Amino acid sequence: NAGVTQTPKFQVLKTGQSMTLQCAQDMNHEYMSWYRQDPGMGLRLIHYSVGAGITDQGEVPNGYNVSRSTTEDFPLRLLSAAPSQTSVYFCASSNRNQPQHFGDGTRLSIL
Amino acid sequence: KQEVTQIPAALSVPEGENLVLNCSFTDSAIYNLQWFRQDPGKGLTSLLLIQSSQREQTSGRLNASLDKSSGRSTLYIAASQPGDSATYLCAVSGVTGGGNKLTFGTGTQLKVEL
Repeated sequence: NAGVTQTPKFQVLKTGQSMTLQCAQDMNHEYMSWYRQDPGMGLRLIHYSVGAGITDQGEVPNGYNVSRSTTEDFPLRLLSAAPSQTSVYFCASSNRNQPQHFGDGTRLSIL
Repeated sequence: KQEVTQIPAALSVPEGENLVLNCSFTDSAIYNLQWFRQDPGKGLTSLLLIQSSQREQTSGRLNASLDKSSGRSTLYIAASQPGDSATYLCAVSGVTGGGNKLTFGTGTQLKVEL
């Protein structure tokens, strides 16, 4: 049972480039979320989904897009990378009102 | 806007000591409260989830309490061990989103020394 799998684990981008962070879960969870973790600021919610085809914005959605075409996958797209998006990104999944399961994160640096 | 505060930011204790980590939140309209553990370079591991209608949850040496009216939660760790060294994060979920939208504190970094 793999749980929540995030790829890649590390990535370096140049300003203006685009990329997609992948997240997959094999627990048939209906809820999935993306967070970013920055020193001194804790984790902040970027986007979340309550089921396939349904997404909504979190606290810091600007510069990011998401889609949820299947229950298993919830990719996060950076449209035009900026240095302020340098962070560690975590994907999480759960069922309603159940503990969230987190991936190991993607460490993203934007030069 | 919900704000979550954790005190202390860092804590160092000798092995075997009982300890309490504190979490406070500004909006008492929560769906649940969760405590997580994060090891360096790793993701978060859920420790305990307390529903808004509950007062406490226990798992092994861990006990978490919730006082929603005062906006406080504590995580009690009994007989601490070096393997408990990690960052402990408190998070609350709002009443919308099915408990999925978490607001996190910045964590307490715990070191248990031999």
